[in-house]
Amino acid sequence: AQRVTQPEKLLSVFKGAPVELKCNYSYSGSPELFWYVQYSRQRLQLLLRHISRESIKGFTADLNKGETSFHLKKPFAQEEDSAMYYCALGDTGNQFYFGTGTSLTVIP
Amino acid sequence: DVKVTQSSRYLVKRTGEKVFLECVQDMDHENMFWYRQDPGLGLRLIYFSYDVKMKEKGDIPEGYSVSREKKERFSLILESASTNQTSMYLCASTRTGAITEAFFGQGTRLTVV
Repeated sequence: AQRVTQPEKLLSVFKGAPVELKCNYSYSGSPELFWYVQYSRQRLQLLLRHISRESIKGFTADLNKGETSFHLKKPFAQEEDSAMYYCALGDTGNQFYFGTGTSLTVIP
Repeated sequence: DVKVTQSSRYLVKRTGEKVFLECVQDMDHENMFWYRQDPGLGLRLIYFSYDVKMKEKGDIPEGYSVSREKKERFSLILESASTNQTSMYLCASTRTGAITEAFFGQGTRLTVV
């Protein structure tokens, strides 16, 4: 069975501090991992995917197959990063499995 | 450049009513999905469709049905709305093939009173 776990429902950090949103997964094949973000009153949108290996809005995420993790990181949090973040796993059946989400608040 | 559109942003319905939530995508995607989003529970898959007139149950299909008569449109139906179906409903679509990005609608906030 595929499963995505986000252990933190709420996370608060001060502006300028590093932030890490945790995501662990279980999957029997080769996973495709994504981070989605939902800003207040906006639709859910893709932030980044592991296969791209790129940095978006200063965020990066590395797939660690040994630890089955895909943590999202940013070295210096900004107020505009406050949002709900979902880790997601895509499988070969074109289904997406989402974690329960982490609400990030960046304190000015 | 809106690509996935849900017909209503907010809906208020009475218990027992039949409710239709509509979703249209303009990207010619084969796959469409309905999720409900609840605090602390994340996104839970209700139903999905890989093709016209095809549907598959997701994790929480009870109390729901779907219809896909045209490729671009995927409807979620609450046969007899109940208060525990008060939630945010999200529609999404993806292309078949290599695992690609899911595009989401803006969501429908349904309140059943």
